[in-house]
Amino acid sequence: NAGVMQNPRHLVRRRGQEARLRCSPMKGHSHVYWYRQLPEEGLKFMVYLQKENIIDESGMPKERFSAEFPKEGPSILRIQQVVRGDSADYFCASSPSPGELFFGEGSRLTVL
Amino acid sequence: EDQVTQSPEALRLQEGESSSLNCSYTVSGLRGLFWYRQDPGKGPEFLFTLYSAGEEKEKERLKATLTKKESFLHITAPKPEDSATYLCAGELSGGYNKLIFGAGTRLAVHP
Repeated sequence: NAGVMQNPRHLVRRRGQEARLRCSPMKGHSHVYWYRQLPEEGLKFMVYLQKENIIDESGMPKERFSAEFPKEGPSILRIQQVVRGDSADYFCASSPSPGELFFGEGSRLTVL
Repeated sequence: EDQVTQSPEALRLQEGESSSLNCSYTVSGLRGLFWYRQDPGKGPEFLFTLYSAGEEKEKERLKATLTKKESFLHITAPKPEDSATYLCAGELSGGYNKLIFGAGTRLAVHP
């Protein structure tokens, strides 16, 4: 059973460009979460999605950030007009049910 | 304010030297307390979830315990391959895995 798959592993963008990060959950998992880890800081919750629904986006910045988990295909975290402060490791996690949360390897975003 | 604090920030042990990592929390309506291991450049690897005070769980050289205010991760006779950052997280009320993480304890085990 493959784990949570994230791509790209590394993404470099210039200020003002768009970044798209993709996440395929583990087989059989219908709950997807995005967390962000800033340099020298702990992981911070961003958003929780189920298929075609955003359940909780309370940790996501109101501007420029959006997330989706379509009926078909991976979950996508989109950051528009990136700024240097968006540079971080973005982790996706999935779970079959509450109580177990499995993380992917992460996507490192570097904004020049 | 919900908060999870881990100590120490860093810990250096000799191989075979047992020790404990601390995680104290102030999370209203805590549903569960999670422990993860994170290696450099990797995602967190799930270790344990604890739900009630007095609960204990073990995995190889690791044992996690939970009280009403803190959790401990005991490492017995550690080996160099146990070197990693150990993360503690409290699950907020709501019925799903919305976690608040501590900053982690960086463990280095030397032969």
